[in-house]
Amino acid sequence: AQSVSQHNHHVILSEAASLELGCNYSYGGTVNLFWYVQYPGQHLQLLLKYFSGDPLVKGIKGFEAEFIKSKFSFNLRKPSVQWSDTAEYFCAVNANGFQKLVFGTGTRLLVSP
Amino acid sequence: DTEVTQTPKHLVMGMTNKKSLKCEQHMGHRAMYWYKQKAKKPPELMFVYSYEKLSINESVPSRFSPECPNSSLLNLHLHALQPEDSALYLCASSPSGQGGSNQPQHFGDGTRLSIL
Repeated sequence: AQSVSQHNHHVILSEAASLELGCNYSYGGTVNLFWYVQYPGQHLQLLLKYFSGDPLVKGIKGFEAEFIKSKFSFNLRKPSVQWSDTAEYFCAVNANGFQKLVFGTGTRLLVSP
Repeated sequence: DTEVTQTPKHLVMGMTNKKSLKCEQHMGHRAMYWYKQKAKKPPELMFVYSYEKLSINESVPSRFSPECPNSSLLNLHLHALQPEDSALYLCASSPSGQGGSNQPQHFGDGTRLSIL
């Protein structure tokens, strides 16, 4: 069965620090990969997605992620975080051709001013 | 603001009550989803409708009954729920049905359900 692992459950950073959140998935076929963000009291929003092509994808608000097929990873990065990036971040995967989206356990990011 | 609207935002009900959660989108999406999210956990898929037909049921207990009256609306009928069913229920939509798995899902704000 598909599974998604996010190793960092809680991350605390100061403003301007760099961010990298890990995401690994277990599935041998072609996958679609997503990062969603949930700001406090708000709905899940798409940050970025990877389907095919350039493995380095850029999303909104300065986020980017790199798909490394050999490592089954899709890590999220941001060079310099802001206080407004405080939120919960979910990695999600589905197998190509299937609608079932499987979420990782989430990472709570707290950015201190 | 999200383009997927869920009502009510909060619902408290007893174990013998019957209530319904509603979800509406006007983006022309043809796939709609129900997820359940417990506190500090990721969303878990419950049901998927594609072109108004149920395409995925993730072995959800029959006390949850989904309905898709038309392409813009998705309901979740609740009956005889248990306290462990207390959770945030999320609705989502995406542009197309089966085969459109690379299209991102758009989520509503959710209905926070409490079972007494």
